[in-house]
Amino acid sequence: AQSVTQLGSHVSVSEGALVLLRCNYSSSVPPYLFWYVQYPNQGLQLLLKYTSAATLVKGINGFEAEFKKSETSFHLTKPSAHMSDAAEYFCAVSDYKSSGSARQLTFGSGTQLTVLP
Amino acid sequence: NAGVTQTPKFQVLKTGQSMTLQCAQDMNHNSMYWYRQDPGMGLRLIYYSASEGTTDKGEVPNGYNVSRLNKREFSLRLESAAPSQTSVYFCATVPKGQFLSYEQYFGPGTRLTVT
Repeated sequence: AQSVTQLGSHVSVSEGALVLLRCNYSSSVPPYLFWYVQYPNQGLQLLLKYTSAATLVKGINGFEAEFKKSETSFHLTKPSAHMSDAAEYFCAVSDYKSSGSARQLTFGSGTQLTVLP
Repeated sequence: NAGVTQTPKFQVLKTGQSMTLQCAQDMNHNSMYWYRQDPGMGLRLIYYSASEGTTDKGEVPNGYNVSRLNKREFSLRLESAAPSQTSVYFCATVPKGQFLSYEQYFGPGTRLTVT
């Protein structure tokens, strides 16, 4: 079974500061990895995804993430935080069930990002 | 294009009551999923439907049933609601042919409270 660990359920940064949200995964096969963002009272939106191409993945709103196989990590970064980045962020890993016919996603527990003025 | 829609947006039930959460999509996607979201636990998969006519259990199926009515609609039923089912429920879809990229498209959610 695959799993995802997000270190830090709450992260606070000042506006303009670096954002770093941590994600570690476990997988017995090369994973597909995703970051989703959830704004208050909304569903999840895809920020970026890693599907075994370039290890540095760029997403929307200036976010990027780097896949590091040796560290089993997929941390999310943004050089300069904006107030509008305040949201909850979820890391997810794909999991193909041999008994089914559809890939499933396993989500981390989420990190709430607060941006301070 | 409405994308993924869910009804109702909010619902309060008493213990033992039943209800059906509705999900519909107009994107011609093949696979559909039901998740529940609880504080500090992320999203957990309840049931999914790889394609019309098939359904499978996810991580937390107990107390729920599903119906894939047609390609567009996937409903989640609580036969006898319990307080432990208080949660936010999300429906998600995946297009056919996105097997490798596997991006999920989420609905806005249904907030359910069971008293």
